[in-house]
Amino acid sequence: AQTVTQSQPEMSVQEAETVTLSCTYDTSESDYYLFWYKQPPSRQMILVIRQEAYKQQNATENRFSVNFQKAAKSFSLKISDSQLGDAAMYFCAYVSGTSYGKLTFGQGTILTVHP
Amino acid sequence: SQTIHQWPATLVQPVGSPLSLECTVEGTSNPNLYWYRQAAGRGLQLLFYSVGIGQISSEVPQNLSASRPQDRQFILSSKKLLLSDSGFYLCAWNEQPNQPQHFGDGTRLSIL
Repeated sequence: AQTVTQSQPEMSVQEAETVTLSCTYDTSESDYYLFWYKQPPSRQMILVIRQEAYKQQNATENRFSVNFQKAAKSFSLKISDSQLGDAAMYFCAYVSGTSYGKLTFGQGTILTVHP
Repeated sequence: SQTIHQWPATLVQPVGSPLSLECTVEGTSNPNLYWYRQAAGRGLQLLFYSVGIGQISSEVPQNLSASRPQDRQFILSSKKLLLSDSGFYLCAWNEQPNQPQHFGDGTRLSIL
């Protein structure tokens, strides 16, 4: 079974600085997709970024970018120019290309942004 | 545009009572639908998913069941709630399995 591991229960960053959240996953499949979701205190799940495993280029969405290392099965999220609104729980998630969309989530990392 | 509605937002129920949580999606046809549970401070656990009307797949054996009586309606039920059923329940949808899932606002369920 696939597993997703987020080894950092909590992280903190100063406003305007950069922070990287770690995620590793375990799979024997070659066709899969990876996501980062953000869950603010409202508890709504918000998609941050998506990466297809077949793409070598790292995904980028404005201040958010990933470092996808397929051989190492690593998928870290970099947040640049951190803002107070970035404070949230961040979840890494994996889905196999053949699993009918069954997402496997990591345990999450709580990000605190200090003004 | 597509929207997802989930209700109620908060629910307090006694042990042994029944449960019905509802989720509807608007603006799309034949979506894939999902129910997740999130324990406090933890990740999401997939409970059920459905790829079409009347089709339900269960991921975790438990006290809960799901139904999809209409194309865009997904219901989570229980005949008798347990204390361990407490948690935050999220409904989600997507059009294709490998696309990002879009989540509802969730239901906070407390069992007394």
